[in-house]
Amino acid sequence: KAGVTQTPRYLIKTRGQQVTLSCSPISGHRSVSWYQQTPGQGLQFLFEYFSETQRNKGNFPGRFSGRQFSNSRSEMNVSTLELGDSALYLCASSLGLGGGSEQYFGPGTRLTVT
Amino acid sequence: GENVEQHPSTLSVQEGDSAVIKCTYSDSASNYFPWYKQELGKRPQLIIDIRSNVGEKKDQRIAVTLNKTAKHFSLHITETQPEDSAVYFCAARYGNNRLAFGKGNQVVVIP
Repeated sequence: KAGVTQTPRYLIKTRGQQVTLSCSPISGHRSVSWYQQTPGQGLQFLFEYFSETQRNKGNFPGRFSGRQFSNSRSEMNVSTLELGDSALYLCASSLGLGGGSEQYFGPGTRLTVT
Repeated sequence: GENVEQHPSTLSVQEGDSAVIKCTYSDSASNYFPWYKQELGKRPQLIIDIRSNVGEKKDQRIAVTLNKTAKHFSLHITETQPEDSAVYFCAARYGNNRLAFGKGNQVVVIP
């Protein structure tokens, strides 16, 4: 089976812009979780989608949003970008809800905000 | 609230020695504890996990132990090799069915 894929792999944006990241899960996986990874902070949970519904949400501002399509592919959107949004954004897919199922990560999208 | 802490933040070991990383969690209802390995520039990869109905699980040179009473779990790597050098993340499942991750441990294996 193909692994989790993310596009684009790298992005450079300026403050105030918005960005959309995409994640394609492993075939058959219905859950997609999104994480922000910054040096020294580990993986911070953004949100999880399962069967096109947001099931969990982390402590991020409303500028961070997402959605999931009927084929389980997911997108994450960040509006009004800030310098502090520069990070590696990882998505992970799992068969069931992510908390109790094995999660498999994508390669990430490296976002740089200037 | 959800809190997972890892100790130590950095660990250096001589090749062939053992490495132990410990994580503590705060929610006594947590019942699933995975460990991820992230090599430089690569994605985190699941290396082993344990559920709360067992106290220990082994997979070749890697083992995880769980102490539910003390609310901590540990990753043990025996006979370390240079390719074990990476950042290791622990995580715990919380009641709202999400994973909370620790901040990671940098393990350096010295040849």
